[in-house]
Amino acid sequence: DAMVIQNPRYQVTQFGKPVTLSCSQTLNHNVMYWYQQKSSQAPKLLFHYYDKDFNNEADTPDNFQSRRPNTSFCFLDIRSPGLGDAAMYLCATSRERGQGADTQYFGPGTRLTVL
Amino acid sequence: GQNIDQPTEMTATEGAIVQINCTYQTSGFNGLFWYQQHAGEAPTFLSYNVLDGLEEKGRFSSFLSRSKGYSYLLLKELQMKDSASYLCAVQNSNYQLIWGAGTKLIIKP
Repeated sequence: DAMVIQNPRYQVTQFGKPVTLSCSQTLNHNVMYWYQQKSSQAPKLLFHYYDKDFNNEADTPDNFQSRRPNTSFCFLDIRSPGLGDAAMYLCATSRERGQGADTQYFGPGTRLTVL
Repeated sequence: GQNIDQPTEMTATEGAIVQINCTYQTSGFNGLFWYQQHAGEAPTFLSYNVLDGLEEKGRFSSFLSRSKGYSYLLLKELQMKDSASYLCAVQNSNYQLIWGAGTKLIIKP
């Protein structure tokens, strides 16, 4: 029944050790988003894919990269995690982009701890 | 700049009614969303308003006034499971979603 799936739910990594978070969806939505959310803060959009078209937010650090090999899967790579990257990472999808009522559906999130 | 303002925290009693306000200043407007987020979980969609007025969905209702840059989420017959954060998000003229930091709602018996 799960429509947006994220693995793992909890990830522990060491300072500077690359880590990859994964997201998959069964909704066949065109758009996939990655957000970073820290405690009691608004979700911060890192980037999104519209189909294969990658859209990076201006203030997303180069340390964060993404891949979308097909419609269903999207990955977030953090090349050299710092202590400040510890957060909840949320994947979301929407059917379209720029169409008004484009509700975003979220996965359960991956909580990243950096030691 | 663009910003969304919501109260940081509210407390209400089980069975009562609570209204969570949201004011926004964005570059254009293409709709306003309310999401519920339980601690440690992902946001889940509650409502979408693009026209002025009240949208009712069971115990939850959402109101929008575009001229005032204002919305509220009304929760009736509060239950303990309604304890969560409620996030207001506005879609601007570029269809970017601008998020508020959320209102943490605490329900007391």
